[in-house]
Amino acid sequence: NAGVTQTPKFRVLKTGQSMTLLCAQDMNHEYMYWYRQDPGMGLRLIHYSVGEGTTAKGEVPDGYNVSRLKKQNFLLGLESAAPSQTSVYFCASSRPYFNTEAFFGQGTRLTVV
Amino acid sequence: DAKTTQPPSMDCAEGRAANLPCNHSTISGNEYVYWYRQIHSQGPQYIIHGLKNNETNEMASLIITEDRKSSTLILPHATLRDTAVYYCIVRVLESNTGKLIFGQGTTLQVKP
Repeated sequence: NAGVTQTPKFRVLKTGQSMTLLCAQDMNHEYMYWYRQDPGMGLRLIHYSVGEGTTAKGEVPDGYNVSRLKKQNFLLGLESAAPSQTSVYFCASSRPYFNTEAFFGQGTRLTVV
Repeated sequence: DAKTTQPPSMDCAEGRAANLPCNHSTISGNEYVYWYRQIHSQGPQYIIHGLKNNETNEMASLIITEDRKSSTLILPHATLRDTAVYYCIVRVLESNTGKLIFGQGTTLQVKP
């Protein structure tokens, strides 16, 4: 099973460039999440979605946009990348029950120069 | 804000039990405690979760105090491959989002 797949795995951007990170899950999960992790820190929630066509802000949403046009995909966009957005980005998905685990992707390492 | 408090680091001898504590004094009655670990900045890996009863699976045991204000993750026979950052998480129920709010975690170093 593929589980949660993130594309790309690595990327270097120049300041001001834009890009989209793709998260795809094949488990038919309703809930999807985008996190970022800076060196030596825990994961921080950027945006999340509780179903197709719905998104909401997390702890650190500034500078990011998201879309959930299809249930299996959750896209994270950076319209104008900044060096402060250099981080490792993780996507996760889960069923809509709080006694079930969330599954994480392997991360996208983004460097903005 | 994270709803859990963990020691920043711990050591454990290989083959011995690793006991990782977590405080979650503000946990609500129907919120679950989850444990994940992260090895070498890979994606977090699910370990175990519980509500109020002790739980055990093939990876670990979870002991939750009767008042639910703290818990302990037990790795019964730690190996070098268990060296990782361990996160204790309260899964947030507000607005039916099921968000996992991470804290700083405990870095467990298993030594030969």
